Amino acid sequence: GAVVSQHPSWVICKSGTSVKIECRSLDFQATTMFWYRQFPKQSLMLMATSNEGSKATYEQGVEKDKFLINHASLTLSTLTVTSAHPEDSSFYICSARDLRLNTGELFFGEGSRLTVL
Amino acid sequence: KQEVTQIPAALSVPEGENLVLNCSFTDSAIYNLQWFRQDPGKGLTSLLLIQSSQREQTSGRLNASLDKSSGRSTLYIAASQPGDSATYLCAVQWNSGNTPLVFGKGTRLSVIA
Repeated sequence: GAVVSQHPSWVICKSGTSVKIECRSLDFQATTMFWYRQFPKQSLMLMATSNEGSKATYEQGVEKDKFLINHASLTLSTLTVTSAHPEDSSFYICSARDLRLNTGELFFGEGSRLTVL
Repeated sequence: KQEVTQIPAALSVPEGENLVLNCSFTDSAIYNLQWFRQDPGKGLTSLLLIQSSQREQTSGRLNASLDKSSGRSTLYIAASQPGDSATYLCAVQWNSGNTPLVFGKGTRLSVIA
């Protein structure tokens, strides 16, 4: 299957700082990537859809000015949590499809665990 | 509202048992359904994908079935092993094209040796 990679796997930061998470499609091009968030013992909730070369589409309740998404190339999308606060501590995970496979299967990165002190 | 529900939330079984995990969805007009495995603190591993036109998919000891009309899918695990212990997530794609999945809350499985 297709490979999606995230970096960093985990990050600890102080309240008020910004954190950038990278999501890469390693062996395919992805014009669209999906960013999810998972709080402890909860399911994955879609935050936004990242579109290469255009603005991301955010789900209701997700602040676009706080969660900046940049999809500048066909293999890289970044999520920046700006002025992070403890309530932003969560597991962030990205996903993408390799449209050449024509199966519709969605592949996920390893996830990035953010802890804001 | 399109929602995915998984029951039970947690399940504990002795090693060697066959087991069934349940997934239901509110709108039967799905495009496809995927089952994932998630180990604690880790990302998702795709297990099986069932297209809307299919009734089941099999991979090794895993079998996933789909009954669109009743809005249900099941994941059958045969001869369970301690290494199967993980959270199993069901996710549905409702719209065609490159659109996101909607996830259930998962079933946390513990297989006791």
